[in-house]
Amino acid sequence: AQKITQTQPGMFVQEKEAVTLDCTYDTSDPSYGLFWYKQPSSGEMIFLIYQGSYDQQNATEGRYSLNFQKARKSANLVISASQLGDSAMYFCAMREGGADGNEKLTFGTGTRLTIIP
Amino acid sequence: DAGVIQSPRHEVTEMGQEVTLRCKPISGHDYLFWYRQTMMRGLELLIYFNNNVPIDDSGMPEDRFSAKMPNASFSTLKIQPSEPRDSAVYFCASSGTVGNQPQHFGDGTRLSIL
Repeated sequence: AQKITQTQPGMFVQEKEAVTLDCTYDTSDPSYGLFWYKQPSSGEMIFLIYQGSYDQQNATEGRYSLNFQKARKSANLVISASQLGDSAMYFCAMREGGADGNEKLTFGTGTRLTIIP
Repeated sequence: DAGVIQSPRHEVTEMGQEVTLRCKPISGHDYLFWYRQTMMRGLELLIYFNNNVPIDDSGMPEDRFSAKMPNASFSTLKIQPSEPRDSAVYFCASSGTVGNQPQHFGDGTRLSIL
């Protein structure tokens, strides 16, 4: 089974609207972390937001927030008030295990977001 | 602060040639990762180091690939001999020790093997 599933290959959203990018994950480890990265057309990978499995509150970073539903094993990224510069590929990733040295990240296949003016 | 620095940014070479990709991690980071990104396979972890020691190289495709980290500020990924199917973007990333620290990526090396 895929560890990280991003079911939306592409999305088109009107500028200034909010957008939700879906991510579901699969792990039996009680300790894990979830990350979102943005990859613009220029190619670099930019870290956006992190959610730990034991975090009580949903993570927020500026216009980015993470809708973390642990029972459903979902960690959707919400971008509020979308801007043209948000057009990019977005990747969800998971790190399993606690602070025991397992630092491997598993990435999803990504969602290409296009913001329409 | 300087981010992860990779060189070269682009490399075009003929099959059979040796290719060496270089990476300087963020100062103070003790984890270093090498990834490969292709359209077909997405982002794949090739190998990662902790305190200059290789921890997991299970993602290295085959013996043609090798990676070293001689010191805390430098790592190389070498392909010898290169093949057209090695064409991809290769990313280096680094992170600190605390579990919730993200991996910070370099700008990548776009490798084309003719």
